Amino acid sequence: LAKTTQPISMDSYEGQEVNITCSHNNIATNDYITWYQQFPSQGPRFIIQGYKTKVTNEVASLFIPADRKSSTLSLPRVSLSDTAVYYCLVGDQRWFSGGYNKLIFGAGTRLAVHP
Amino acid sequence: DGGITQSPKYLFRKEGQNVTLSCEQNLNHDAMYWYRQDPGQGLRLIYYSQIVNDFQKGDIAEGYSVSREKKESFPLTVTSAQKNPTAFYLCASSIRDRVMDSNQPQHFGDGTRLSIL
Repeated sequence: LAKTTQPISMDSYEGQEVNITCSHNNIATNDYITWYQQFPSQGPRFIIQGYKTKVTNEVASLFIPADRKSSTLSLPRVSLSDTAVYYCLVGDQRWFSGGYNKLIFGAGTRLAVHP
Repeated sequence: DGGITQSPKYLFRKEGQNVTLSCEQNLNHDAMYWYRQDPGQGLRLIYYSQIVNDFQKGDIAEGYSVSREKKESFPLTVTSAQKNPTAFYLCASSIRDRVMDSNQPQHFGDGTRLSIL
């Protein structure tokens, strides 16, 4: 059973870089690591996805070591609007059937950005 | 704009009543999903469908039912058998990776909040 472990909460200040690390065991060999952001009373929003090494887009970077047992989401120069819950997701090999790896949503990391 | 529309935003259920939550997508995605979220918790998978006229149970399917008669629609019925239905319900869709069989990013609606009267 694939399981992710993230810090329950983090605090930061505007303009700082924030790094959120996720540990994951039993990740499927063909599966991506995906991060989502969720604001209160809204659905999660896709941030970034990667398989290995480093991925960067306009809002974040994702660092994945060679063993793929962890990943780190990096948010550069956060603002107040980045206050949200961040989820790290991987597939669950137990559910690998018919081409679908069920995503495992943990409790996420609550990031609070202060002025 | 393409996206997922969930309705209603708020819903109230009486004892012994079945209620249906609507989910429509115009993203031309094959796969659709229903999740339940309780306060302070992550999302738990109720049902998912990879193709029209086919769907599979997730972790917490008891007390729920779905149908997938059209590609763009995946309604969820919360039956009277679901004894603790108060939660935030989220619908999502994604393309299906037929080559790598890997997870593709899911696009979520803005949810329906269901409460008991």
